[in-house]
Amino acid sequence: EDQVTQSPEALRLQEGESSSLNCSYTVSGLRGLFWYRQDPGKGPEFLFTLYSAGEEKEKERLKATLTKKESFLHITAPKPEDSATYLCAVSGSARQLTFGSGTQLTVLP
Amino acid sequence: GAVVSQHPSRVICKSGTSVKIECRSLDFQATTMFWYRQFPKQSLMLMATSNEGSKATYEQGVEKDKFLINHASLTLSTLTVTSAHPEDSSLYICSKPPLGGLEAFFGQGTRLTVV
Repeated sequence: EDQVTQSPEALRLQEGESSSLNCSYTVSGLRGLFWYRQDPGKGPEFLFTLYSAGEEKEKERLKATLTKKESFLHITAPKPEDSATYLCAVSGSARQLTFGSGTQLTVLP
Repeated sequence: GAVVSQHPSRVICKSGTSVKIECRSLDFQATTMFWYRQFPKQSLMLMATSNEGSKATYEQGVEKDKFLINHASLTLSTLTVTSAHPEDSSLYICSKPPLGGLEAFFGQGTRLTVV
């Protein structure tokens, strides 16, 4: 059974204070690892797909990396508008998406 | 990215009534749609897969008589929560299968509150 564990559950940062979110996973036959941003009461918004260990993707202040066991979402110099819940998900040989519980990020001005 | 429109975004209903949620694919025809449920501070959990022209496939533990799914056309799937109870209060989110890549695209979500 595919599993995704995200840490920390919640993270409070000052504006400009860089940090990383962790996503540990076990999956049979990784097809892709995904990062999404979710605002309260809304559906997830797609950020990145990572396909293989060593791969990195960047978008504005966000950078996602992947190893064989975990993925990190690095946030550089965050702004208050980056406050959201960040979700990690994997797709394996079963071709279903398995989500983690998310990291709730709050960036204080 | 692929566009999925979900309606309504919020609904409050009385216990025992039914609520219908619509999910539309705006940019391409989808023979399959996925329905998820998310309780506060928990993961998105797949409830069922709707299939155009055939019965929906439900995940283990999801009552198919309570959560009625109809894939009316190649661009519309609906989820009806029948005889809703307070424990059905949750965020319901639809998505459709990926286009070229593997990533799924989600609707805006429907916050259901049963009072």
